[in-house]
Amino acid sequence: TQLLEQSPQFLSIQEGENLTVYCNSSSVFSSLQWYRQEPGEGPVLLVTVVTGGEVKKLKRLTFQFGDARKDSSLHITAAQTGDTGLYLCAGIPTYNTDKLIFGTGTRLQVFP
Amino acid sequence: DARVTQTPRDKVTEMGQEVTMRCQPILGHNTVFWYRQTMMQGLELLAYFRNRAPLDDSGMPKDRFSAEMPDATLATLKIQPSEPRDSAVYFCASGSLAGSSYNEQFFGPGTRLTVL
Repeated sequence: TQLLEQSPQFLSIQEGENLTVYCNSSSVFSSLQWYRQEPGEGPVLLVTVVTGGEVKKLKRLTFQFGDARKDSSLHITAAQTGDTGLYLCAGIPTYNTDKLIFGTGTRLQVFP
Repeated sequence: DARVTQTPRDKVTEMGQEVTMRCQPILGHNTVFWYRQTMMQGLELLAYFRNRAPLDDSGMPKDRFSAEMPDATLATLKIQPSEPRDSAVYFCASGSLAGSSYNEQFFGPGTRLTVL
């Protein structure tokens, strides 16, 4: 079974601060996605990274896929209250690209 | 704008009762997934269908859960009999790129189930 551990589990910061969320596994993934989930809603896809070492930027969010395709990070610059939510990484396993294996989640709270 | 819809949004029931959750996938998506989310276990895949055919239900307790797609616009997840440990948020998701490295899934708003 492939597991994805996220850290930290909880993060509470003030507006304007920077933060990084990590997603780690001992297994190799075909690709990796990051989702954000707000209360009462389903997860929404932010990005897909496919190539080892790939870096993608989405405004103030920077996503990186590890060289060995086992881990990923999400960095937020100058956090805003609108960034508050549950961040989930999800790996697409090499043995079955139909599936998503979701990480344990990082709950981010940004205070004004 | 296209989105996955789920009904009901909230369901409170008593142990032993039958529960049916419904999902309308995005038109044109050929793969439908059912997930369960709890604080302890996170988001877990229960089952999924492609072109209405069940492909994998290994994440589902077989004795009480069943999932079907009567037609391309409706997926159902049934629990009979329900138990308190089934309390969770159940999500349906659909996609058209499953099976590729760009397996993007669009999630519905979920059904929050409470079994007393």
